[in-house]
Amino acid sequence: QSVLTQPPSVSAAPGQKVTISCSGSSPNIGNNYVSWYQQLPGTAPKLLIYDNNKRPSGIPDRFSGSKSGTSATLGITGLQTGDEADYYCGTWDSSLSARVFGGGTKLTVL
Amino acid sequence: EVQLVESGGGLVQPGGSLRLSCAASGFTFSTQDMNWVRQAPGKGLEWVSYISGSSGTKIYADSVKGRFTISRDNAKNSLYLQMNSLRDEDTAVYYCARDGVGATDFDYWGQGTLVTVSS
Repeated sequence: QSVLTQPPSVSAAPGQKVTISCSGSSPNIGNNYVSWYQQLPGTAPKLLIYDNNKRPSGIPDRFSGSKSGTSATLGITGLQTGDEADYYCGTWDSSLSARVFGGGTKLTVL
Repeated sequence: EVQLVESGGGLVQPGGSLRLSCAASGFTFSTQDMNWVRQAPGKGLEWVSYISGSSGTKIYADSVKGRFTISRDNAKNSLYLQMNSLRDEDTAVYYCARDGVGATDFDYWGQGTLVTVSS
């Protein structure tokens, strides 16, 4: 299983807000920055959030990130059908000396 | 425009070898740290290996340590992954990914190349 724990799936209606959690521990989220990725079906992952809460150029402000202690959260507001994808959190694990990911969360926009 | 294009995937028997390549363009390749990340069919992302811009630092996931070797040729703007002693569990889409401006992110990814290990 993954070092970081995400819910397997979340769902919400168009226009609503959803949050995706990512739980870790001291060697990873507790002491390192978190990034978030969106993977649309059949495509490569795309960076959504880096350094816990920063958005790369071109990422709409509907996407937000936060971190508290050993957990991080991705928020998506104004949900669109085009947001249906798998979402992954990632960070560095100082104990493993490795980059680690969560198991991924499938977002369904009902 | 940043582009990363992987190649070299295919079908290989258990115990065999394969060399993946990633051609980079649209940025100064020699100054950017690079990675390989893989995704088994229907599964999540797994980081495989990291190499610094100068090739001075290389890091591997425990699952591939001693079997895979990451390298780069800055003159050719290319990243490589030599995979030896391949196992069934190495079957995956392999992505090359550039280290981002943040502390732990990958800001650009290639489209991936599929490696299938099967007899």
